[in-house]
Amino acid sequence: DSGVTQTPKHLITATGQRVTLRCSPRSGDLSVYWYQQSLDQGLQFLIQYYNGEERAKGNILERFSAQQFPDLHSELNLSSLELGDSALYFCASSVGGLRTDTQYFGPGTRLTVL
Amino acid sequence: GENVEQHPSTLSVQEGDSAVIKCTYSDSASNYFPWYKQELGKRPQLIIDIRSNVGEKKDQRIAVTLNKTAKHFSLHITETQPEDSAVYFCAASASGGGADGLTFGKGTHLIIQP
Repeated sequence: DSGVTQTPKHLITATGQRVTLRCSPRSGDLSVYWYQQSLDQGLQFLIQYYNGEERAKGNILERFSAQQFPDLHSELNLSSLELGDSALYFCASSVGGLRTDTQYFGPGTRLTVL
Repeated sequence: GENVEQHPSTLSVQEGDSAVIKCTYSDSASNYFPWYKQELGKRPQLIIDIRSNVGEKKDQRIAVTLNKTAKHFSLHITETQPEDSAVYFCAASASGGGADGLTFGKGTHLIIQP
């Protein structure tokens, strides 16, 4: 157990819908990262937040957004869902804001878009 | 941005033999190289990482070597055991600014034959 928690574990929804994924970092970690894992694209970095502020942005679609709250938990919002958004979504956390800090992954949320 | 190539995509070895997985990266500014192990449907787990100020790091049966001049790094697993069967991902990251976060290779499916 890495200490990073994610809810829900599974999510099944329809095209065009909107969902919210939640992540709580390890105690003491200030950074949260979101990754998408699909069979064709592999593990791709989406976005990083550090102490409530956006720190880095990767291959995140405009239909996706995220935020980190004062208690440091983070939410990833996916809207206008398409079939191709079906994937495993992981969050990871690290102590600091550097991208060279060790990242610990949560158990993931499996999103299925029908 | 950074690009990480990983080989082979599948590796089958006899139990007790050694396994070697190789990665190359493109961004000479990258200075942090973690390796993650992922079992089916589970989260990526950090197994070892190396920073660019060292050329080799060992942890029991696992070792990582880094050649910054050639921009490649390798994972070595000795005396393989059935529980080593999993998908292994290499990654690279640079400190400082930029949007890449951790850039992952496509993964190597390691199969330990009894």
